[in-house]
Amino acid sequence: KQEVTQIPAALSVPEGENLVLNCSFTDSAIYNLQWFRQDPGKGLTSLLLIQSSQREQTSGRLNASLDKSSGRSTLYIAASQPGDSATYLCAVITSGSRLTFGEGTQLTVNP
Amino acid sequence: NAGVMQNPRHLVRRRGQEARLRCSPMKGHSHVYWYRQLPEEGLKFMVYLQKENIIDESGMPKERFSAEFPKEGPSILRIQQVVRGDSAAYFCASSPRSGEGGGYTFGSGTRLTVV
Repeated sequence: KQEVTQIPAALSVPEGENLVLNCSFTDSAIYNLQWFRQDPGKGLTSLLLIQSSQREQTSGRLNASLDKSSGRSTLYIAASQPGDSATYLCAVITSGSRLTFGEGTQLTVNP
Repeated sequence: NAGVMQNPRHLVRRRGQEARLRCSPMKGHSHVYWYRQLPEEGLKFMVYLQKENIIDESGMPKERFSAEFPKEGPSILRIQQVVRGDSAAYFCASSPRSGEGGGYTFGSGTRLTVV
């Protein structure tokens, strides 16, 4: 059974810091890994999708890496801003097309 | 190009009533997934549907819950005889093909409150 763990559960940083969010998964037989952002009371916004054959993806200030063999992914946020405050969710896709989510990292960026 | 549309955004039901949640996938997407987020918990898979077919319902509670995705119209998640424990946010996602090959787009969710 696939399990996804995100560390840390919560993170508070001053504006401008670079930060790393971690995600680990127990079954390396994944098809894709997707990072999402969820604002309080809102839906999920897709940030980055990494195919299993890829090592990383970048979008603006965000960079996500994937190491399938070790069951790990990291989301790097450069020059953090207060608007980045949200819960960040990591999810993996294994056979059967279902997403398995981690519990999320709640990020607060203080002005 | 509208995203995944869910309605209603908020739904209040009394115990014992029925709740119907609707999801219209993105244009061109034929795969629909429902997830539930209980208070203070992570998102859990419920069901995966294609047009007129249930592909995987292994995450659905055995009783009172059903889902459909008819040939015409939105996907419907139906909860009969709701109980307080059904209060949660229900999210729908769609993908253009099997999620094994592509990413998901999520709707804004329906927040169900059972009183």
